[in-house]
Amino acid sequence: SQTIHQWPATLVQPVGSPLSLECTVEGTSNPNLYWYRQAAGRGLQLLFYSVGIGQISSEVPQNLSASRPQDRQFILSSKKLLLSDSGFYLCASGRNYGYTFGSGTRLTVV
Amino acid sequence: AQSVTQPDIHITVSEGASLELRCNYSYGATPYLFWYVQSPGQGLQLLLKYFSGDTLVQGIKGFEAEFKRSQSSFNLRKPSVHWSDAAEYFCAVGTDSGGGADGLTFGKGTHLIIQP
Repeated sequence: SQTIHQWPATLVQPVGSPLSLECTVEGTSNPNLYWYRQAAGRGLQLLFYSVGIGQISSEVPQNLSASRPQDRQFILSSKKLLLSDSGFYLCASGRNYGYTFGSGTRLTVV
Repeated sequence: AQSVTQPDIHITVSEGASLELRCNYSYGATPYLFWYVQSPGQGLQLLLKYFSGDTLVQGIKGFEAEFKRSQSSFNLRKPSVHWSDAAEYFCAVGTDSGGGADGLTFGKGTHLIIQP
């Protein structure tokens, strides 16, 4: 079975600072990878997905970017954080609707 | 585009009572439907999913859901809740985008509170 590792678990960053959240997957190869954001009262929003190394698709325009340098590594980044980037970020792995979610990163931008 | 509506933001149920969480979806074809549960500060755990076939789906932890095409609904039920069921519940719809992405669209969630 798949296991997703996400870190850090919590992060407090000042406005304008850079961001790097990492997600790694064990137990599978060539998974589809996803970044979701959960903002208060807004449910989960799909931010990015990747079907392979170097292949990134964005679902919504935003201040964030994603990269997939290795098959089982998915990184979420920002050059300059905004207050509106605060939220709970979840990485997911899956194919054919067999999804596994990481435990998430709580990001607070201050 | 697909969408999911969970009309109840909060629901309070007494321990031992029955539970029904509502979910309505909008999608042009037969959807893939899911229910997830999220404990505070944690990721999401899949409770059950519907792809095709029997419209009554059994999941983990004693949960079940029924797909009703005529009502575009996929309500989650449990005959007797336990205090450990207190959590956030998300309904989601998946689509076959054809590009291999098959991401999910989530509802905003229902926060379940269990009274002793």
